[in-house]
Amino acid sequence: ETGVTQSPTHLIKTRGQQVTLRCSSQSGHNTVSWYQQALGQGPQFIFQYYREEENGRGNFPPRFSGLQFPNYSSELNVNALELDDSALYLCASSLEAAGGSADTQYFGPGTRLTVL
Amino acid sequence: AQRVTQPEKLLSVFKGAPVELKCNYSYSGSPELFWYVQYSRQRLQLLLRHISRESIKGFTADLNKGETSFHLKKPFAQEEDSAMYYCALYNFNKFYFGSGTKLNVKP
Repeated sequence: ETGVTQSPTHLIKTRGQQVTLRCSSQSGHNTVSWYQQALGQGPQFIFQYYREEENGRGNFPPRFSGLQFPNYSSELNVNALELDDSALYLCASSLEAAGGSADTQYFGPGTRLTVL
Repeated sequence: AQRVTQPEKLLSVFKGAPVELKCNYSYSGSPELFWYVQYSRQRLQLLLRHISRESIKGFTADLNKGETSFHLKKPFAQEEDSAMYYCALYNFNKFYFGSGTKLNVKP
């Protein structure tokens, strides 16, 4: 059983650019969640995908979007980057039924995004 | 709106002392509550969840609906317990994490 992986590890972008972050879920997990973690803060929930459909979203603008693929990988896309988007982005996979209880989330190591 | 509050940013205790990490939440229904832990240079991982009512690494947490609290407790802290601890609430396919408490167990 392989763990959750994320790529790239670090990324530097400039304001206004677009970025795509990638996550490979644990095998068999049908749910992936993405989080933004600013320095000194707890993870802030961006959205959750279940079987390739977004089924939960936090308080983030539409320029944050995602995709989940049948092979358990997923992407977080952020358009029109702002300085405040600089943070650690975490993905977490779990095995969960739609609308059901939360199962254990397995977190990736994160991608550190710096926006200049 | 749902909210999870961890009032202490840093908690320092001596080895063998009891430890309590506080977590308060605002939610009117029946929440699902969790404690996640991040050891140095490791990933965030689940420590325990209230519905399983289990004890992990000697830690327990009781859901108190009247006080809307889910404090994490351990009777005798160990140095290896030093880590960042996050309380989290799950509701309608959304997670809400607190800002975390850093536990430092001194020898």
